[in-house]
Amino acid sequence: DTAVSQTPKYLVTQMGNDKSIKCEQNLGHDTMYWYKQDSKKFLKIMFSYNNKELIINETVPNRFSPKSPDKAHLNLHINSLELGDSAVYFCASSQGFLIDEKLFFGSGTQLSVL
Amino acid sequence: AQSVTQLGSHVSVSEGALVLLRCNYSSSVPPYLFWYVQYPNQGLQLLLKYTSAATLVKGINGFEAEFKKSETSFHLTKPSAHMSDAAEYFCAVSDRRQGNLIFGKGTKLSVKP
Repeated sequence: DTAVSQTPKYLVTQMGNDKSIKCEQNLGHDTMYWYKQDSKKFLKIMFSYNNKELIINETVPNRFSPKSPDKAHLNLHINSLELGDSAVYFCASSQGFLIDEKLFFGSGTQLSVL
Repeated sequence: AQSVTQLGSHVSVSEGALVLLRCNYSSSVPPYLFWYVQYPNQGLQLLLKYTSAATLVKGINGFEAEFKKSETSFHLTKPSAHMSDAAEYFCAVSDRRQGNLIFGKGTKLSVKP
């Protein structure tokens, strides 16, 4: 069983479209995250949720909206996609929200905006 | 603000040679430091972490890292490289203000036969 699974693995779409990426974890963790990895492999936090509550909301365009229907799911919806949104998006989870927590990552969603 | 700097975006070693991946951190408080590895087309996996216990931290797959406060470093080493070690390695520090990880820009490790 995959601990943190995200779908789809690849997403190719046109500029201006709206798309969603889904993430589910079966580890019973309380905290989930979205990270963005750019073409130079630089990883940056976008959002984190703890027990379905938004904890971190970095400087991300408001076209990006996370939604956490329950502790095991954190989906990412992106409106009006732009070329610069092309990246790999990683979902992750951790047991709690302590600063020494180990993160478990999904295998990523490669988004290509044409 | 906390940050990490990974020296060298690409390191190439021969199989059996020593692996040394460099990471320096900046933190106004005692840091929590991590090394993660990313294999091609996969998510990141934790190799090891330093949380103010022993300064020499042993991780998975034969990797270890030493926390040196005087040098603000947390370099990752492995005595003998295997082909399977070829991957991208990320050093990270905990952002104590927000509770998330701040990653370095990564070092790609290539292992030659």
